[in-house]
Amino acid sequence: QSVLTQPPSASGTPGQRVTISCSGSNSNIGGNFLYWYQQFPGTAPRLLIYRNDQRPSGVPDRFSGSKSGTSASLAISGLRSEDEADYYCAAWDDSLSAWVFGGGTKLTVL
Amino acid sequence: EVQLVESGGGLVQSGGSLRLSCTASGFTFSSYSINWVRQAPGKGLEWVSYITTSGSTKYYADSVKGRFTISRDNAKNSLYLQMNSLRDEDTAVYYCARGQISGDYLDGMDVWGQGTTVTVSS
Repeated sequence: QSVLTQPPSASGTPGQRVTISCSGSNSNIGGNFLYWYQQFPGTAPRLLIYRNDQRPSGVPDRFSGSKSGTSASLAISGLRSEDEADYYCAAWDDSLSAWVFGGGTKLTVL
Repeated sequence: EVQLVESGGGLVQSGGSLRLSCTASGFTFSSYSINWVRQAPGKGLEWVSYITTSGSTKYYADSVKGRFTISRDNAKNSLYLQMNSLRDEDTAVYYCARGQISGDYLDGMDVWGQGTTVTVSS
């Protein structure tokens, strides 16, 4: 059972906009920055969104993040087949003194 | 090229020990905090441990506290994870991941190694 809660799966068709949610508590999302990671099978994760809504260089602006209270979401617009991957949210938890991850969401492009 | 390379994984019996290494290149290793993150087969990401630039502060997940020890040697651009009393549930790919901002900040992990596989067999 992960501290952060994500839907296990999400899907969309090419060109669509999809969102992935992440919920937590005041000790993690509510009081700290939220991060999103993208992972393709057999490869290391990649930082996709940092500090709630910032994109590292090289990440397309089709990816956007937002946070409100103890929840956050990742939005992918203009969905493309190469976006098919696992997505994880993460935040520092002040009560646990630990990084906590969501269980991951497998995105399928239909 | 900014790079992290893990090594030291392998097959070990339950109750045994293993020491993982992570060697950095392409950046000033001593200026960045580093994490270990693992992923069990078919499962999600699980943070394991964090160490500050000087090694003075360390954090551990409850699941490994008292069994794993994180350390670093800045002169050798290397990070370590000493794993003792290994259990079946420690079987995973272990990644080292750099803190995004230089200094002792709890920030995103922007550079990841390719991972090293640890298999614990009973």
